[in-house]
Amino acid sequence: GAGVSQTPSNKVTEKGKYVELRCDPISGHTALYWYRQSLGQGPEFLIYFQGTGAADDSGLPNDRFFAVRPEGSVSTLKIQRTERGDSAVYLCASSPGAPTEAFFGQGTRLTVV
Amino acid sequence: AQSVTQLGSHVSVSEGALVLLRCNYSSSVPPYLFWYVQYPNQGLQLLLKYTSAATLVKGINGFEAEFKKSETSFHLTKPSAHMSDAAEYFCAVRGANSGGYQKVTFGTGTKLQVIP
Repeated sequence: GAGVSQTPSNKVTEKGKYVELRCDPISGHTALYWYRQSLGQGPEFLIYFQGTGAADDSGLPNDRFFAVRPEGSVSTLKIQRTERGDSAVYLCASSPGAPTEAFFGQGTRLTVV
Repeated sequence: AQSVTQLGSHVSVSEGALVLLRCNYSSSVPPYLFWYVQYPNQGLQLLLKYTSAATLVKGINGFEAEFKKSETSFHLTKPSAHMSDAAEYFCAVRGANSGGYQKVTFGTGTKLQVIP
């Protein structure tokens, strides 16, 4: 595709519910990143995929968060038992490989009420 | 380990004045450095990047940054601010190690206000 696509662009969910956020990277990009950006903050690293495997998941805050990339392309970030503190913009980025920059999508704004 | 410190969460300049946004990094391995810009309700857009070639890097919209290893700095500058430069700017670092490349770590951002 022309750029990184994230769906949905906005998601409102009730506390305790399960949500899935989808990222469609730029075609051919092997690296994929998930970040979380809270209001007034910089992007906070969550997880980094190289191909199908998670090369670094040290940023996932707890076991309610999980991400997959089964075929090395599309990725899904999954959040179980959502809490109000999970409200943020979730950013996805992809890269053709190091040492290049990451190309970002527009983000998914998650609001937990 | 790697980190980025951006000095000044808010910077105000007059239109036509010099823009200087400060970034200092810490990295245990040779770093790659980036500046991104984020306009309200939009995604992050790359302004410029340093990947161990020339230490003075030119980017889009008239911005440039200089990598200074001795000062561990990568400050962003623009000679003359334009109203359209008002946005939030993020400095980021990515290190490399024997196992491959590390994650990209971002600073907390600097909001640039341009006063007419």
